[in-house]
Amino acid sequence: NAGVTQTPKFQVLKTGQSMTLQCAQDMNHNSMYWYRQDPGMGLRLIYYSASEGTTDKGEVPNGYNVSRLNKREFSLRLESAAPSQTSVYFCASRDYATNEKLFFGSGTQLSVL
Amino acid sequence: GESVGLHLPTLSVQEGDNSIINCAYSNSASDYFIWYKQESGKGPQFIIDIRSNMDKRQGQRVTVLLNKTVKHLSLQIAATQPGDSAVYFCAERNEGGKLIFGQGTELSVKP
Repeated sequence: NAGVTQTPKFQVLKTGQSMTLQCAQDMNHNSMYWYRQDPGMGLRLIYYSASEGTTDKGEVPNGYNVSRLNKREFSLRLESAAPSQTSVYFCASRDYATNEKLFFGSGTQLSVL
Repeated sequence: GESVGLHLPTLSVQEGDNSIINCAYSNSASDYFIWYKQESGKGPQFIIDIRSNMDKRQGQRVTVLLNKTVKHLSLQIAATQPGDSAVYFCAERNEGGKLIFGQGTELSVKP
């Protein structure tokens, strides 16, 4: 039982490049989330998927797209990376029924030059 | 607007002492609260949670206290150990079911 797995752990991009962050969970959770974490800003919600087949914008969705590929996987795509997207990205999941604690992955540290 | 904030951004304690990390929240409709621990280079890890119909909940060496009158949440760590050094986040669940996170408090344990 690995929990929430994110890849890659580190990535450096040039401005304008694109990339996809991958996330998978093996806890049979319905809901999945993408957050970004910046110094002094706490965790901010980018997008979430309450259940398979649905996605919704969070607090800071601009510049990102998501895909809920199946119940296990939820990916985050940067189509044209900008230096403002330099951050640490966390994927999380939780049981929709209880709607309580989130389980987080180990994060992706992204630098956009 | 709603916010979850921490009174102290940094806290330094001696090994073996008790630690208290505080959190203020502004949304009186929030019905669920949670504490996370985040070690350097890792994702947030669940510590303990509490529903709004409770005032206190205890775990292993940790206790969460909820004071709804003043909208205050605290995390108490007994006999603090070097392994407790981390950033601690509180979060509240709003009416829409989303978790709103505070900025975090860094706990440093001196041997």
